[in-house]
Amino acid sequence: GQQLNQSPQSMFIQEGEDVSMNCTSSSIFNTWLWYKQDPGEGPVLLIALYKAGELTSNGRLTAQFGITRKDSFLNISASIPSDVGIYFCAGQIIIQGAQKLVFGQGTRLTINP
Amino acid sequence: NAGVTQTPKFRILKIGQSMTLQCTQDMNHNYMYWYRQDPGMGLKLIYYSVGAGITDKGEVPNGYNVSRSTTEDFPLRLELAAPSQTSVYFCATQTGFYQPQHFGDGTRLSIL
Repeated sequence: GQQLNQSPQSMFIQEGEDVSMNCTSSSIFNTWLWYKQDPGEGPVLLIALYKAGELTSNGRLTAQFGITRKDSFLNISASIPSDVGIYFCAGQIIIQGAQKLVFGQGTRLTINP
Repeated sequence: NAGVTQTPKFRILKIGQSMTLQCTQDMNHNYMYWYRQDPGMGLKLIYYSVGAGITDKGEVPNGYNVSRSTTEDFPLRLELAAPSQTSVYFCATQTGFYQPQHFGDGTRLSIL
């Protein structure tokens, strides 16, 4: 089945630093999504990417849909304490008439003030 | 995560017990999904539904059942709880094709 490899698994940074994480797969996806999950809550959508090569920003967040449709990255600029959490990439594919998500393992972001 | 309501938030079961996890949405979304998230891992799809009366298996359906008698509700049932089903369960909805999925706050289930 489809699998996503997300890296790094964890990051420890200083407040104000930039962050970069990525996902790769051997499978092609028609949509890439980036979610953030805070403790005790469900994943919250940050950015959705629909076209190969697409570069999209949402405030301090920037994400790109790889040209090959097999990878995506997420950058966070000038990190702040509320950026702490677990970030998941997800690739969306069509199977049996439904859009199914395949999730990466997550990147846990910790920020030292 | 307004619009997707999951109950209960927490539950402890004994091995062999059964229970139903509830998921209700008020957004009239056709597509609904159940995922489980094990510690330190991403989410894995259990079952999904493309509309009332239609359900299908996802990646990890064994030990679970679902039904979709209405657009609003998509309950997930565990018939014979096993320790391997200890996890956090998330329900998600989707307004339409190519739209992102939106998640509830989850049900944390422990089976002892």
